[in-house]
Amino acid sequence: SAVISQKPSRDICQRGTSLTIQCQVDSQVTMMFWYRQQPGQSLTLIATANQGSEATYESGFVIDKFPISRPNLTFSTLTVSNMSPEDSSIYLCSVESGGGRTEAFFGQGTRLTVV
Amino acid sequence: KQEVTQIPAALSVPEGENLVLNCSFTDSAIYNLQWFRQDPGKGLTSLLLIQSSQREQTSGRLNASLDKSSGRSTLYIAASQPGDSATYLCAALSGSARQLTFGSGTQLTVLP
Repeated sequence: SAVISQKPSRDICQRGTSLTIQCQVDSQVTMMFWYRQQPGQSLTLIATANQGSEATYESGFVIDKFPISRPNLTFSTLTVSNMSPEDSSIYLCSVESGGGRTEAFFGQGTRLTVV
Repeated sequence: KQEVTQIPAALSVPEGENLVLNCSFTDSAIYNLQWFRQDPGKGLTSLLLIQSSQREQTSGRLNASLDKSSGRSTLYIAASQPGDSATYLCAALSGSARQLTFGSGTQLTVLP
C-alpha cells in the first residue's frame, strides 16, 4: 500500500487568488494523479503527472488554470489559479501500487471553498 | 467510453442489517474494479480490489463480487454498524490509457 499526505486539508480563498496543494507519497511512484470532486459529484481526473515531463491534462482542464509540478518521484503539487466560486471542490491526489496489482490509493483530500 | 453507475444513490438501514450495494459498468474489458469508502469532505479509503480474473474478494464484514460478462459488481456489508455510514464508490480501471472511471456513489446511513 501507499501512504499519501496531502496539504492543506481545507482552505477558504478569495476569488482571483491561487492555491497550491501539496501531495507527498511514502514511496517512489512513476505516476501521480490529480482529481476534482465537485459538490455532490463523483471524481473527475484532472491530469496525470509524470516525473521529468509535463503533466497530461484531461479534456476540459488546461495547464494555465491547473499548473502541476512533479519535481521528484515522491512529490507533486497542483495549483488552482485565478479561482472563482466554481472551483469550490475537493481536490485529491492519487497513486497506484506497482507489481501488476494496480490498486489506487488516495490522499485525504483538500476541501477548497472560494468566496 | 466507460460509464459506471451505482444504485441506489442513497440507502438508510437499521443497525445489524445485511445490505448490498450495486455497481454496473458498460465496458466489460476492465483490468480491475475497486470499492472505496469516503467520509464527508474527506479522501477515499480503498476497501477491496477485484482483479479482472477474480470473482470475489473478502475483507472482514465486506465481500465484493465481480461478474465481468454482465458488467456488474456488488458490495455486501454484513451486520451493518453506525460506523459504516459513509459514501461508497466503485471504480473500474479500463481502456488503453488505463484510467479509473468512478460511479457517483451510494450514500449509506446506518441508524443505531
